[in-house]
Amino acid sequence: GDSVTQMEGPVTLSEEAFLTINCTYTATGYPSLFWYVQYPGEGLQLLLKATKADDKGSNKGFEATYRKETTSFHLEKGSVQVSDSAVYFCALSDPPYNNNDMRFGAGTRLTVKP
Amino acid sequence: ETGVTQTPRHLVMGMTNKKSLKCEQHLGHNAMYWYKQSAKKPLELMFVYNFKEQTENNSVPSRFSPECPNSSHLFLHLHTLQPEDSALYLCASSQDQTDPYEQYFGPGTRLTVT
Repeated sequence: GDSVTQMEGPVTLSEEAFLTINCTYTATGYPSLFWYVQYPGEGLQLLLKATKADDKGSNKGFEATYRKETTSFHLEKGSVQVSDSAVYFCALSDPPYNNNDMRFGAGTRLTVKP
Repeated sequence: ETGVTQTPRHLVMGMTNKKSLKCEQHLGHNAMYWYKQSAKKPLELMFVYNFKEQTENNSVPSRFSPECPNSSHLFLHLHTLQPEDSALYLCASSQDQTDPYEQYFGPGTRLTVT
């Protein structure tokens, strides 16, 4: 079945460091891909998405490119801030969408130190 | 209010108690979800409602009983829970039949079973 694998955390970086969180997927069809972020004490928030191969999703300085050839959707940010400390989830949804089935990775905790 | 709201935000209950979690979405969506988020485990989908009809029940124990009276409200009734049921319970909604149907999450209810 469909699944998402993301790098295990925790990840600890200094402020202004470059961030990469790896995500690879397995899907039978042509899924849409998402990154969600969960700040302490809150629910998940959609960070960015991409719906087809070579699409680049971006938001708040974060980017991820849908790579069909490597089945990957790695999250990157050029210069992290303390406020980016959170748990990041990679997710996919695969047609037919009326199955309401979204698969999440296990999450990667990021801590950014001043 | 906007988005997805959940009440209560925190709940402590004994194993013999009966309580209910409430979720309300103000987004005009027609699909709603309950997830369980436990420490160090992937997000677990529990129930899916589509146009008020339950479309998925992922082998959830009967001590969890969902109710969806209309497309905007979702409840999770709890009775005779176990300590291992302590977790963050997240509600989400989406606009079904829309490609891709990203899910919008509430802040969660932190449940502790004593």
